[in-house]
Amino acid sequence: QSVLTQPPSVSGAPGQRVTISCTGTSSNIGAGYDVHWYQQLPGTAPKLLIYGNSNRPSGVPDRLSGSKSGTSASLAITGLQAEDEADYYCQSYDSSLSVWVFGGGTKLTVL
Amino acid sequence: QVQLQESGPGLVKPSQTLSLTCTVSGGSISDDDYYWSWIRQPAGKGLEWIGRIYIRGITTYNPSLKSRVTISVATSKNQFSLKLSSVTAADTAVYYCARTYSRSWHFDPWGQGTLVTVSS
Repeated sequence: QSVLTQPPSVSGAPGQRVTISCTGTSSNIGAGYDVHWYQQLPGTAPKLLIYGNSNRPSGVPDRLSGSKSGTSASLAITGLQAEDEADYYCQSYDSSLSVWVFGGGTKLTVL
Repeated sequence: QVQLQESGPGLVKPSQTLSLTCTVSGGSISDDDYYWSWIRQPAGKGLEWIGRIYIRGITTYNPSLKSRVTISVATSKNQFSLKLSSVTAADTAVYYCARTYSRSWHFDPWGQGTLVTVSS
């Protein structure tokens, strides 16, 4: 079981908006540690989408956005496209475990 | 742009030591702004951070693996390496190396990953 909790799957039709949640505790997200998001296409390495809770690296479209509040964070994708179908992972630091931790991953299906 | 590439044996026998190397190109492993990490992913499962190293040789390991892990750096070759001892089938995974930002602690970029299977 992952330290950061994500829904196993989410889905949406092309053009719609979906959100993926990442729930932590007072020893990770709630302690103020940054949350980062990655996209993993089948058979490939994870790719950074959001860093520092809400910052997009160059090349990541602005229809992807991140937010954080309390012990949770969210990744929102608007204008859903077929190419968005992938696994998504959140990541933070846990001070009680002294490790960088990942969520269990969320599979996004574009209907 | 910086690129990372993992290399090493794809098959390791149980109880032996897994050894992998990550070669960094397009940038210097000596850059003070970055740490260098290893992360693994068993088939169909999530990601697990293994450990990291800083150019001055400072290492930090996942406590769950600490007794078996050694990460080292070879600055002249722009490489860093992972050794995991006493492996079992549970260590079978895709192993990734990744650059780690020293302020916000995110991983970018990642190597393409290499599958290591532990089997006799």
